[in-house]
Amino acid sequence: DQQVKQNSPSLSVQEGRISILNCDYTNSMFDYFLWYKKYPAEGPTFLISISSIKDKNEDGRFTVFLNKSAKHLSLHIVPSQPGDSAVYFCAASDSYSGAGSYQLTFGKGTKLSVIP
Amino acid sequence: DAGVIQSPRHEVTEMGQEVTLRCKPISGHDYLFWYRQTMMRGLELLIYFNNNVPIDDSGMPEDRFSAKMPNASFSTLKIQPSEPRDSAVYFCASGSGMWTQYFGPGTRLLVL
Repeated sequence: DQQVKQNSPSLSVQEGRISILNCDYTNSMFDYFLWYKKYPAEGPTFLISISSIKDKNEDGRFTVFLNKSAKHLSLHIVPSQPGDSAVYFCAASDSYSGAGSYQLTFGKGTKLSVIP
Repeated sequence: DAGVIQSPRHEVTEMGQEVTLRCKPISGHDYLFWYRQTMMRGLELLIYFNNNVPIDDSGMPEDRFSAKMPNASFSTLKIQPSEPRDSAVYFCASGSGMWTQYFGPGTRLLVL
C-alpha cells in the first residue's frame, strides 16, 4: 500500500508559467515532508522541505504548500525554466517512528518537462 | 566534499552470480541508507544504518540481500545469488541526523 502518492506521472509546462506538482499521503503520522529533484543518471537532490507545524515554505522560485486536513502537499515552481525539467519526488517522514530514525517514504515521482 | 560515492556505476552480471555494490558516505554523516529504484515500485528503502549499526532492514527483499557497514566511511550491499528481478538502480544516501538525505549517483544493475 503506497503511503505517499504522486498521481501524475508526468507534467508539461510552458517556460515562464507556473508548475504545480502534487502529492498525497495516507499516513497521518507523517510530520515532515521533502521534495527531491532527479536528473537522468544522477541521484535525487534535496530541493525543499516543510514541517507539519507550517503550511507553507518558500525558497526562491520554489514553494511547498501543506494541507494537513487533506493530507496533501504541492510544490509550486514559478517561473518555470527549462533547467527545471526533471523527475520530482515527494517524500515523507514520521519523526515518532523511532528515536531519530529519519526514515523517508518516497512517492513514485512526477516527470516535469518545461517547454522553451 | 565529493558527495556520496558509489561504485560501480554500472554492473551487468549473469543470474546466480554474486554482486557487491559499494558506498562511501559524506564524511561526518552518521546515517547511511540503501535504496532500490524500479519502475514498478519507485524508490524503496532497503536498509539504513546509524553510526555503522543496522537499524531497520525490513525493506530488504529476501535473504539473498545483505548489507554491511564496517566503518563510518564504507558500506556494501551484496546480492547472492543475483536474479533478473534484482535489476534496478541502487542508491546509497547519507545524512547527519536530519531528514535531508544526500544521494549518490546510483549503481545501475542488470542481471541477465
